[in-house]
Amino acid sequence: DIQMTQSPSILSASVGDRVTITCRASQSIPNWLAWYQQKPGRAPKLLMYRASILESGVPSRFSGGGSGTEFTLTITNLQPDDFAIYYCQQYISYSGVSFGGGTKVDLK
Amino acid sequence: QMQLVESGGGAVQPGSSLRLSCAASGFEFSNYAIHWVRQAPGKGLEWIGVVSYDGARANYTDSMKGRFTVSRDNARSTVFLQMNSLTTEDTATYYCAKDSFRCTVNSCSSGRFFFYMTLWGKGTMVTVSS
Repeated sequence: DIQMTQSPSILSASVGDRVTITCRASQSIPNWLAWYQQKPGRAPKLLMYRASILESGVPSRFSGGGSGTEFTLTITNLQPDDFAIYYCQQYISYSGVSFGGGTKVDLK
Repeated sequence: QMQLVESGGGAVQPGSSLRLSCAASGFEFSNYAIHWVRQAPGKGLEWIGVVSYDGARANYTDSMKGRFTVSRDNARSTVFLQMNSLTTEDTATYYCAKDSFRCTVNSCSSGRFFFYMTLWGKGTMVTVSS
């Protein structure tokens, strides 16, 4: 099974900051990675797929990078609406998908 | 408008069985795999399994194989999650989610039939407690 590890688990930031979340895979997944955003009491929402392709309607302040085993999600000019939990998900495996443990972005 | 609506959650005792439903609307249901994902209170997302567009194949996370079963009825645009021998560790919100890939007989006849999730339901809560 492919294990996904996110860091940090909690990230404290202010409006206007640039923040970066890291996601590491236990084996190479080229760019078969998606990112989701989840707000309290809500279902997750797809942000990005193929590591760096923004889902339609997602603001351009979100960007993704990386390949192989290390990936990043960066939010530039953090907005109040961006305080949430972010999850990465690999989808290379033919047997199943797996999520990272999540990174909570909260107000400093 | 594309939508997934889960139902069937509730409070049950350990050892019970429960069947959750996921009703879809607003898209070509029979062309997409559907996933189930759960989230225990205050915890992260845990993938349960996925059923192919035609219901012929289903994959599961190892820890739930044999106890959970995903199936679908394309005539009713509904996916089901049958859960048996429930324990307190199964207490969670259960989400269904639509896969990203539009399958046809040719494109999904073998190999990959699921990728990432583009549409999620609001979830249904299952509480297992004595």
